[in-house]
Amino acid sequence: KAGVTQTPRYLIKTRGQQVTLSCSPISGHRSVSWYQQTPGQGLQFLFEYFSETQRNKGNFPGRFSGRQFSNSRSEMNVSTLELGDSALYLCASSLARTSGGATSTDTQYFGPGTRLTVL
Amino acid sequence: GENVEQHPSTLSVQEGDSAVIKCTYSDSASNYFPWYKQELGKRPQLIIDIRSNVGEKKDQRIAVTLNKTAKHFSLHITETQPEDSAVYFCADPPTGSARQLTFGSGTQLTVLP
Repeated sequence: KAGVTQTPRYLIKTRGQQVTLSCSPISGHRSVSWYQQTPGQGLQFLFEYFSETQRNKGNFPGRFSGRQFSNSRSEMNVSTLELGDSALYLCASSLARTSGGATSTDTQYFGPGTRLTVL
Repeated sequence: GENVEQHPSTLSVQEGDSAVIKCTYSDSASNYFPWYKQELGKRPQLIIDIRSNVGEKKDQRIAVTLNKTAKHFSLHITETQPEDSAVYFCADPPTGSARQLTFGSGTQLTVLP
């Protein structure tokens, strides 16, 4: 099975611009979570999408948004870029099994990340 | 959970020795504890995980132990090898948010040949 893929792998933008990152989950996985990784703040949760709906959201400003398509692929968008948005953006996919209405905690598999540099 | 503390932040061991990394969590309802390994320039990869209904899990040279009373879980690597050098992260999902991981701050493990 192919792993999680992310495009582009590297991106350079300037302050004030916006950017869209893409994530394709493992085939059959229905959940996509996004994380920001920086040397200072570590790995921080941005949001999670399941069945085209945002299910959980981390503590990030509204400039960070995302969406999920019917094929489970997900995009995240950052508007009005700031220098501090420079980071490695990782997405992770998981099966998101449900049983009796409850969703189990599934293993998350990470993509290679998109390295965003804001100048 | 809301808060995961990971120690130490750096760890150097001689090849062949053991390494132990510990994480403490705050949410007593937490029930899933994964460990990820991230080599330089690469993606985090799950190396082992444990659920709250067991106290220990082993996979070859790697083991994870869970102490629910004290609310901490530890990663044990035995017979360390240079390829074990990486940053290791523990994680803990908040109760009710199965796919939202709260990560520890990471441990840079260096295995000296």
